[in-house]
Amino acid sequence: KAGVTQTPRYLIKTRGQQVTLSCSPISGHRSVSWYQQTPGQGLQFLFEYFSETQRNKGNFPGRFSGRQFSNSRSEMNVSTLELGDSALYLCASSSGTGLNQPQHFGDGTRLSIL
Amino acid sequence: KNEVEQSPQNLTAQEGEFITINCSYSVGISALHWLQQHPGGGIVSLFMLSSGKKKHGRLIATINIQEKHSSLHITASHPRDSAVYICAVTLGRDDKIIFGKGTRLHILP
Repeated sequence: KAGVTQTPRYLIKTRGQQVTLSCSPISGHRSVSWYQQTPGQGLQFLFEYFSETQRNKGNFPGRFSGRQFSNSRSEMNVSTLELGDSALYLCASSSGTGLNQPQHFGDGTRLSIL
Repeated sequence: KNEVEQSPQNLTAQEGEFITINCSYSVGISALHWLQQHPGGGIVSLFMLSSGKKKHGRLIATINIQEKHSSLHITASHPRDSAVYICAVTLGRDDKIIFGKGTRLHILP
């Protein structure tokens, strides 16, 4: 069974641009969650989707948004990029609903803002 | 004060030693997760538990709900166990997940 796949692996953008990251969950998993990891703040929860609906959202500004498609694939979008958005963005999938299920993580997308 | 505290922050030990990493939390939870992150970023979920104890190979995780404390033990540690170990909790109030800062473990051969 293929694991969680995130694309692209690396991305370089400049301030003010926008970016879209993609996450394909494990086959059969319907829950996808997104996380930001920085050296200063560590791992932080962004949002969770289940069956194309956002179930939960962390404390991030509205520039961070996401969506989930009918095949459970998910995208995350960040608009008006700031230097502080440089981070490793991870997604995870699980078979059930909610974050009280084992999470299966992708390898992440490393985003650098110049 | 962080809602999830891990100790120690850094740990260096010799191969074969018994390792304990601690996690304390101050909120109501529905689950606690132990994660392992190797250099390069990939995260592996080691355990998810809401009570008692779980064992997988040389790894053991325990949780005490009354004391709001969990421990991750590694028996017969090996250099390949070198990684960052992260404790995370799923909040009972709103099902969000928050993370500890991680424990950086280095096992010397």
